[in-house]
Amino acid sequence: DQQVKQNSPSLSVQEGRISILNCDYTNSMFDYFLWYKKYPAEGPTFLISISSIKDKNEDGRFTVFLNKSAKHLSLHIVPSQPGDSAVYFCAASSGRDDKIIFGKGTRLHILP
Amino acid sequence: DAGVIQSPRHEVTEMGQEVTLRCKPISGHDYLFWYRQTMMRGLELLIYFNNNVPIDDSGMPEDRFSAKMPNASFSTLKIQPSEPRDSAVYFCASTKGEIEAQHFGDGTRLSIL
Repeated sequence: DQQVKQNSPSLSVQEGRISILNCDYTNSMFDYFLWYKKYPAEGPTFLISISSIKDKNEDGRFTVFLNKSAKHLSLHIVPSQPGDSAVYFCAASSGRDDKIIFGKGTRLHILP
Repeated sequence: DAGVIQSPRHEVTEMGQEVTLRCKPISGHDYLFWYRQTMMRGLELLIYFNNNVPIDDSGMPEDRFSAKMPNASFSTLKIQPSEPRDSAVYFCASTKGEIEAQHFGDGTRLSIL
């Protein structure tokens, strides 16, 4: 039973437009959420996170929104750039020191 | 500053053979994680250590899998005997206690024929 779900295996977005990656979770105990980015033949790298006490966190072109009542979070990338083409993993944790549960990932293609 | 180092990068072996994957975490990090990535299951946590002690091995698929961390600078993940369904990319990650700061190695791509 998947606790973190990324229902879109892939997404294509025109360069310069907004990319929106979605993630749903089922465990109400999760209180910390993260996004990781992964290029081929490399390990995932941390991108941005959000605590459950917030509903938005912004870092440059990247913004994560959290809707606790819907158990849903999204990652917005504005504007999208060619280097953003990668696999994005949504992840969640039920404590700052606990393990992370990852989704299956969404492959983002930025089109020229 | 060296990141997490995994070896080998690629491993191809026949079913039934023993496979040993190696990981050197970043110096000073006290948490070490082993993950497996497959198309079907995505990125799943197998086991993690804190200060060389296994904390949670509930993700280890079965008794054929074992992991050790004999010291702060080295860990192994062993599969014996290996099966074709073990084919996957295995990642090691380390951190100094902060979840978002998990640093991943580049992974070992394992193919069991």
